[in-house]
Amino acid sequence: DAGVIQSPRHEVTEMGQEVTLRCKPISGHNSLFWYRQTMMRGLELLIYFNNNVPIDDSGMPEDRFSAKMPNASFSTLKIQPSEPRDSAVYFCASTPKGGQSTDTQYFGPGTRLTVL
Amino acid sequence: GDSVTQMEGPVTLSEEAFLTINCTYTATGYPSLFWYVQYPGEGLQLLLKATKADDKGSNKGFEATYRKETTSFHLEKGSVQVSDSAVYFCALSDTGGSYIPTFGRGTSLIVHP
Repeated sequence: DAGVIQSPRHEVTEMGQEVTLRCKPISGHNSLFWYRQTMMRGLELLIYFNNNVPIDDSGMPEDRFSAKMPNASFSTLKIQPSEPRDSAVYFCASTPKGGQSTDTQYFGPGTRLTVL
Repeated sequence: GDSVTQMEGPVTLSEEAFLTINCTYTATGYPSLFWYVQYPGEGLQLLLKATKADDKGSNKGFEATYRKETTSFHLEKGSVQVSDSAVYFCALSDTGGSYIPTFGRGTSLIVHP
């Protein structure tokens, strides 16, 4: 079975540009998470969807960040405009059921974003 | 709120040495506990988990026991290999509030031949 798929794997852009990161969760999984990983702050949860509905977006840094999940097999994380401090590795993860503490998270390979 | 505290790294060992990475937690409910591993350039993947007190999770020679009395979930391996070099994350998912996972900061392990 294919795991969580993220694209692109690497993105280099200039400050002020729009960046769109994409994620395809594992088929049949109900919940999807976006994380950001940096050396300084570790792994941070940005937003969580259950059955395509955003449940908790309290981790989204500011209005420049937005996320959508138009259907069960696709999600996007958009940054507009991008800033150098957004440089990080962004992970998408999915879980089979959602709403259960025993759920295992399945992570994608990540997108390494560099904003110059 | 929930929190996870891991020992800071890096942990540097010689091949075949014994490994312990400490993890303690605070939670309001009855959490499940996890260890995830991240190899260079990859996403996190589940190493092992335990869903109730006194459970032992094990995988690939790694073990961790859910100790409710000491709120701990220490990771151990009897004989590490160079291929175990990675970053290890302790995490919990609680029933007492949000079940969204809480991750520790990660501990880097470097194993030398």
